Amino acid sequence: DVKVTQSSRYLVKRTGEKVFLECVQDMDHENMFWYRQDPGLGLRLIYFSYDVKMKEKGDIPEGYSVSREKKERFSLILESASTNQTSMYLCASSLVGGPGYTFGSGTRLTVV
Amino acid sequence: KNEVEQSPQNLTAQEGEFITINCSYSVGISALHWLQQHPGGGIVSLFMLSSGKKKHGRLIATINIQEKHSSLHITASHPRDSAVYICAVYLNTGNQFYFGTGTSLTVIP
Repeated sequence: DVKVTQSSRYLVKRTGEKVFLECVQDMDHENMFWYRQDPGLGLRLIYFSYDVKMKEKGDIPEGYSVSREKKERFSLILESASTNQTSMYLCASSLVGGPGYTFGSGTRLTVV
Repeated sequence: KNEVEQSPQNLTAQEGEFITINCSYSVGISALHWLQQHPGGGIVSLFMLSSGKKKHGRLIATINIQEKHSSLHITASHPRDSAVYICAVYLNTGNQFYFGTGTSLTVIP
């Protein structure tokens, strides 16, 4: 089974801190995605990457950046965390051109 | 404008009831997923459909590509089916998914 692992299940950070959310997949998928999930808004795409060192902005990239130095790892960075970034963050991966799709278990981030 | 619309948003059912959740979309797709998320949990893919019908246990998913509509059915519902069910479509134009906002299902014993 494809496994997508997110490093933290729960995280509490202070306003202004730099925050790293890590995601690792073990099935050699080319595509990786970062979403945030908020009540009433559903899943919204922050960034995705279709190859090492490649990235594309999603619907809500403001306040975030990403890094993909290795194929299996896709990091989401909050340069200066703010309270409106309190949310559930979900990572996913898929093969290029293929609709098969696997999610991580999510990181619930609280910014205080 | 939401490319994927789900209904209902919230659903409460008695144990044993037959449940239907609907998904309509407005874009060209190559596949549609039904996803399940238990409270506080991650998301798992229940089905991936590009045509017809799929069945897994008490869950049945159907899709009508011409009408741009899919349904998820749960037969003999059980409290452990309580979760948020999300419809996600994979565009036929590239590596992009659109999501519905989810249907929150509560099954009461």
